[in-house]
Amino acid sequence: GAVVSQHPSWVICKSGTSVKIECRSLDFQATTMFWYRQFPKQSLMLMATSNEGSKATYEQGVEKDKFLINHASLTLSTLTVTSAHPEDSSFYICSAPGRQKLSGANVLTFGAGSRLTVL
Amino acid sequence: RKEVEQDPGPFNVPEGATVAFNCTYSNSASQSFFWYRQDCRKEPKLLMSVYSSGNEDGRFTAQLNRASQYISLLIRDSKLSDSATYLCVVYGGFQKLVFGTGTRLLVSP
Repeated sequence: GAVVSQHPSWVICKSGTSVKIECRSLDFQATTMFWYRQFPKQSLMLMATSNEGSKATYEQGVEKDKFLINHASLTLSTLTVTSAHPEDSSFYICSAPGRQKLSGANVLTFGAGSRLTVL
Repeated sequence: RKEVEQDPGPFNVPEGATVAFNCTYSNSASQSFFWYRQDCRKEPKLLMSVYSSGNEDGRFTAQLNRASQYISLLIRDSKLSDSATYLCVVYGGFQKLVFGTGTRLLVSP
């Protein structure tokens, strides 16, 4: 089945530095990639939708200048957390949409997630 | 009101028990429904889709009630390995999924 590879799986950085998270679709083309953030004991919250070759669409309350998204190819989308602060510490997960073969229902294939800790 | 609401639990059950989770959604135009499973510090994984007629996959049964806007998941003969957080997920269109906060299940020996 479809696989999304996400790296790094965990990262610790100092406050003020930038961190880049990559998501690659390994055996399919992902024209769209969703970026989620999950704080402890909370639900996944959609941050932004990246589309290959165009600007990302950010959800309300998400700073586009802080969370830079690039989707330069059909298999790679990146999220850069700029000038990270401790409150940005979270679990970041990417996902790409697809269709379930049997039902035709829309499903998401998730990356393994990136746990960011900002000191 | 949240778009998707779930009882966070935790539900503590012994092995072999039957347990049921419910989930309500607010958008009556929602098109598709899913249950995802998320283990601690891992990404969510699709458990099963939820069809209007109800569907079963082994020990798991999912049901949808569009009139009341709720979805349920029934787990029979609980196993220790079923311990996880179960996420109710609603597809509202434009390829966007809305996740509930999840219901935590703890199955004990």
